[in-house]
Amino acid sequence: EAGVAQSPRYKIIEKRQSVAFWCNPISGHATLYWYQQILGQGPKLLIQFQNNGVVDDSQLPKDRFSAERLKGVDSTLKIQPAKLEDSAVYLCASSLAQESDEQYFGPGTRLTVT
Amino acid sequence: DQQVKQNSPSLSVQEGRISILNCDYTNSMFDYFLWYKKYPAEGPTFLISISSIKDKNEDGRFTVFLNKSAKHLSLHIVPSQPGDSAVYFCAASETGANSKLTFGKGITLSVRP
Repeated sequence: EAGVAQSPRYKIIEKRQSVAFWCNPISGHATLYWYQQILGQGPKLLIQFQNNGVVDDSQLPKDRFSAERLKGVDSTLKIQPAKLEDSAVYLCASSLAQESDEQYFGPGTRLTVT
Repeated sequence: DQQVKQNSPSLSVQEGRISILNCDYTNSMFDYFLWYKKYPAEGPTFLISISSIKDKNEDGRFTVFLNKSAKHLSLHIVPSQPGDSAVYFCAASETGANSKLTFGKGITLSVRP
């Protein structure tokens, strides 16, 4: 079974530029999560999708971050414009069902904003 | 406000000995707890979990203990192996909260051969 795929693996941009990350969850997984992990911290949930609907985006900085999961499969997370404090690893995870206890994580995208 | 706390940033143990990783939480609504393991340049992988109706869950070399009155849980690894060297995250969720996980900062475990 293929795992959660993410691309790119690394990205370096200047502040005020925009960037997009892509995630392909495990086939058949209805729930998709985007997390932000700042160095030295644990992952923090940014947004959770159930199929193509948003379940929780309470910690998403909506003035600059956006995410979509149009067909209920792949998802993209965008930052526009980026700030220095956005430097982090962005992790995508998926699970079978909303109340499933096990979330499967992708390898993450390491973003550096200079 | 850190609702899940892993106060020790690192732990070093000898191969074959026991590793004990601690985690504290402040939110009394949490009723499900998980441990994730993370290697460099990889995403976290699920290790073991425990529901608040239990005080112990065991899976091979890994055992998680939960003390609800103290809002404390611990992960025991016996015997420790060099391949266990990784960052370990404690996470918690509450039933009905859409399985939203709150993570601690992680503990870096080093197992010396």
